[in-house]
Amino acid sequence: DTGVSQNPRHKITKRGQNVTFRCDPISEHNRLYWYRQTLGQGPEFLTYFQNEAQLEKSRLLSDRFSAERPKGSFSTLEIQRTEQGDSAMYLCASSTRLRTSDQETQYFGPGTRLLVL
Amino acid sequence: DQQVKQNSPSLSVQEGRISILNCDYTNSMFDYFLWYKKYPAEGPTFLISISSIKDKNEDGRFTVFLNKSAKHLSLHIVPSQPGDSAVYFCAASDFPGNQFYFGTGTSLTVIP
Repeated sequence: DTGVSQNPRHKITKRGQNVTFRCDPISEHNRLYWYRQTLGQGPEFLTYFQNEAQLEKSRLLSDRFSAERPKGSFSTLEIQRTEQGDSAMYLCASSTRLRTSDQETQYFGPGTRLLVL
Repeated sequence: DQQVKQNSPSLSVQEGRISILNCDYTNSMFDYFLWYKKYPAEGPTFLISISSIKDKNEDGRFTVFLNKSAKHLSLHIVPSQPGDSAVYFCAASDFPGNQFYFGTGTSLTVIP
């Protein structure tokens, strides 16, 4: 399977704990995105990487959130001191844009569903 | 502020008939639009896209129409099949921007 994969698929944690999610993009994709989706809403942009560089962060990404893509391949999203409001589906997507003029399509993974008790 | 809006949370259609899903946007800088389909417990799956230089793009049973003056796009599925039952999200980008802005989704049910 050469699609985007995410682990774990589900995570239940207690408020105040730290959690880390992993995303493995499609191998030839140089761009990687993190989104959050809550019930009844569409995905909301959190941050994106081009290769290993984190180029944009949403104001939704508080200082408790950190994302890395150390070698330009897989990425991790860590949430420190989780709060009940962090309960959501966390989606990863990848794409490729070789030239500035290229359009791109983002391909999504299955998501990690987080429940903070 | 919701820049992409899908005002119909749900839609039911008989199998074989046409499904029309609508999407409105407010940002005139958006010039690339996509539709995604999402099944429960899965991530969104890309369906079809359209650039603002076009007003129609067709792929098999799926056609997307773009009306830039009205800031409106629609997805037509014909004929509808029970396997099309899913939540459909429209998304927009202010190319060459990097953010995709998603609507809240429309849940389509195709009745056999």
